[in-house]
Amino acid sequence: AQTVTQSQPEMSVQEAETVTLSCTYDTSENNYYLFWYKQPPSRQMILVIRQEAYKQQNATENRFSVNFQKAAKSFSLKISDSQLGDTAMYFCAFMKPPATGANSKLTFGKGITLSVRP
Amino acid sequence: EAQVTQNPRYLITVTGKKLTVTCSQNMNHEYMSWYRQDPGLGLRQIYYSMNVEVTDKGDVPEGYKVSRKEKRNFPLILESPSPNQTSLYFCASSWTRNTEAFFGQGTRLTVV
Repeated sequence: AQTVTQSQPEMSVQEAETVTLSCTYDTSENNYYLFWYKQPPSRQMILVIRQEAYKQQNATENRFSVNFQKAAKSFSLKISDSQLGDTAMYFCAFMKPPATGANSKLTFGKGITLSVRP
Repeated sequence: EAQVTQNPRYLITVTGKKLTVTCSQNMNHEYMSWYRQDPGLGLRQIYYSMNVEVTDKGDVPEGYKVSRKEKRNFPLILESPSPNQTSLYFCASSWTRNTEAFFGQGTRLTVV
């Protein structure tokens, strides 16, 4: 079974600065997907970024980028130029490759609460 | 607009009183799933469905039932709710060969 670990329960960052959120995972699979989801106070689950394990290049979405270290099973999220709207809970998640007839389950970490200070 | 709709968004009920949380998607997705979110535990899968009339247990299925009579709907049923089912519930859907999951807005359930 896969496990996802987010060891930091809370972090705080000054507006406009950069912050990195950590995530490690454990799996015996060679091919899989990793995600970061954002959950603002509205409770909506918002996909921030996605990484395919077979891709060596780290995914980037505007101010969000990841540092994917497959051998170390590490998947950290870097938020550059932090904004007040980035205040939210962030979840790291793992998924095996989706296939017809298989459970496309997301395995989530416990989450980290990020506060952006004005 | 593509969306997953859950109802109700908030619900307070008493122990033992049967309830249903509805979930509907308008994207013709085959795969649907229910998660519960608890502090310090993240989200955990309750049940999932790969298509009409095909459902199976996730990681924490005890005390829950589901049905999938139509492709668009996937209700979560609590036959006899207990206080340990107080939680935030999410419905999600996706294509079976696609990694993008669409989540509903969440249902905050309190069982007293």
